[in-house]
Amino acid sequence: KQEVTQIPAALSVPEGENLVLNCSFTDSAIYNLQWFRQDPGKGLTSLLLIQSSQREQTSGRLNASLDKSSGRSTLYIAASQPGDSATYLCAVFTSGTYKYIFGTGTRLKVLA
Amino acid sequence: DGGITQSPKYLFRKEGQNVTLSCEQNLNHDAMYWYRQDPGQGLRLIYYSQIVNDFQKGDIAEGYSVSREKKESFPLTVTSAQKNPTAFYLCASSIDRGMNTGELFFGEGSRLTVL
Repeated sequence: KQEVTQIPAALSVPEGENLVLNCSFTDSAIYNLQWFRQDPGKGLTSLLLIQSSQREQTSGRLNASLDKSSGRSTLYIAASQPGDSATYLCAVFTSGTYKYIFGTGTRLKVLA
Repeated sequence: DGGITQSPKYLFRKEGQNVTLSCEQNLNHDAMYWYRQDPGQGLRLIYYSQIVNDFQKGDIAEGYSVSREKKESFPLTVTSAQKNPTAFYLCASSIDRGMNTGELFFGEGSRLTVL
């Protein structure tokens, strides 16, 4: 059974710092992995989707990498801003299950 | 604008009542999903549908029901049999069905509170 873990659960950094959020999964037979952002009381906003054949994806200040063999993905945020404060979730779509499994998220606070 | 619309945003229910949450998408996506989110827990799948007139139970389907009569619509009914219905409910959709569904898009959510 696929399990997705995100560490740390919460993170507080000063503005301008580069940071890395981690996502690990137990079953490497995945089709893709997606990173989301969630603001309090809101739905999830898709940030990056990495297909299983890809190693990384980039969008602006965000870069996500995928290492299937080790069951890990990282989300790199460059030059963090207070507006980046949110909860970041990762989700994997596992072969044969037809559904995404979500981690519990990392709550990020960027201090001005 | 293309997207997923959930309504109502907030809903209060008395114990013993059934309530229906609406989810409409104009993205022409085949697959639609309902998730439940509780504090400190990840999203848990309630039901999903890969095609019109067909749907499957997710991990926590007990006390819930759905229908998929139109491609654009996937309403969720929270029945009186659901023992702990107070939660944040999220509807999502994706373009493909079956293997490798592609990018998942979410609505803004509906918060249900049982009084």
